[in-house]
Amino acid sequence: DIEMTQSPSSLSASVGARVSITCRASQTIYTSLNWYQQTPGKAPKLLIYAASILQSGVPSRFSGSGSGTDFTLTISSLQPEDFATYYCQQSYSLPLTFGQGTRLEIK
Amino acid sequence: EVQLVESGGGLVQPGGSLRLSCTASEFTVSNNYMSWVRQAPGKGLEWVSLIYSGGATFYADSVKDRFTISRDSSKNTLYLQMNTLRPEDTAVYYCARVVWSDYYFDYWGQGTLVTVSS
Repeated sequence: DIEMTQSPSSLSASVGARVSITCRASQTIYTSLNWYQQTPGKAPKLLIYAASILQSGVPSRFSGSGSGTDFTLTISSLQPEDFATYYCQQSYSLPLTFGQGTRLEIK
Repeated sequence: EVQLVESGGGLVQPGGSLRLSCTASEFTVSNNYMSWVRQAPGKGLEWVSLIYSGGATFYADSVKDRFTISRDSSKNTLYLQMNTLRPEDTAVYYCARVVWSDYYFDYWGQGTLVTVSS
C-alpha cells in the first residue's frame, strides 16, 4: 500500500496569510494526487486533482504543485471559510489512500 | 444538480449486519465508478470499496470478505452490505462518485453514521 504523510498535522494562520501544506507519498505516484477540504460535520470537497488542476468552482487562491513523491497545496490569501481540515489522496493504485489530514486553524 | 443521499446507518451490535444505501440524482450510478469512504469519529478518511461501471469490485483489506458493494440500476442506487461488524467499523460512511480516469472523488454524499456497540 502507498502511505501518504502530510505535514504539518495542524497549522495556525491569520486571514490574508499564505499557507502551504505538504504531502509525501511512500513511492512515486507521478501526478496522481488529489486534495480535499473538509469542514466539521460536512463531507469532503474536492479542491485539486492530478496534482495541480483546480476543480471547477474552486477559488483560484488554491493551487497545487508537485510530482513523484512530494506535493504541495498552497492557499495564497486565507479567507475565513478556508479554516478547515485538508486531506491529500493518492489515486495511482489501489487501495486508494489518504493522508492523515492537516487542520488549519485561525490564529 | 448532482446529488448523493446515503441512508441505512444506525446502531448495531458487534457481529451484526447493516446495509447502507446511496441514491444518486442527475447521473447514472451504473455508468460510473462509485466508492464508499469512511471516517471514524475524530479520525481521517479511509477508502472502503470501489465498483467499476463494468461491475468489478475492490475492497480495503480491513473489510474484505465482510463487506459487499453492489448497485441497483432500476433504483439508481449504490449499496454497501456490511456483515460481521466490529467496533472498529464505527464511522460515518460516505458514498462518492469516482472519476474513472484518475480515481478521485468528485461528488460526495452527506454521510451516514454507523455505530457498532453492545
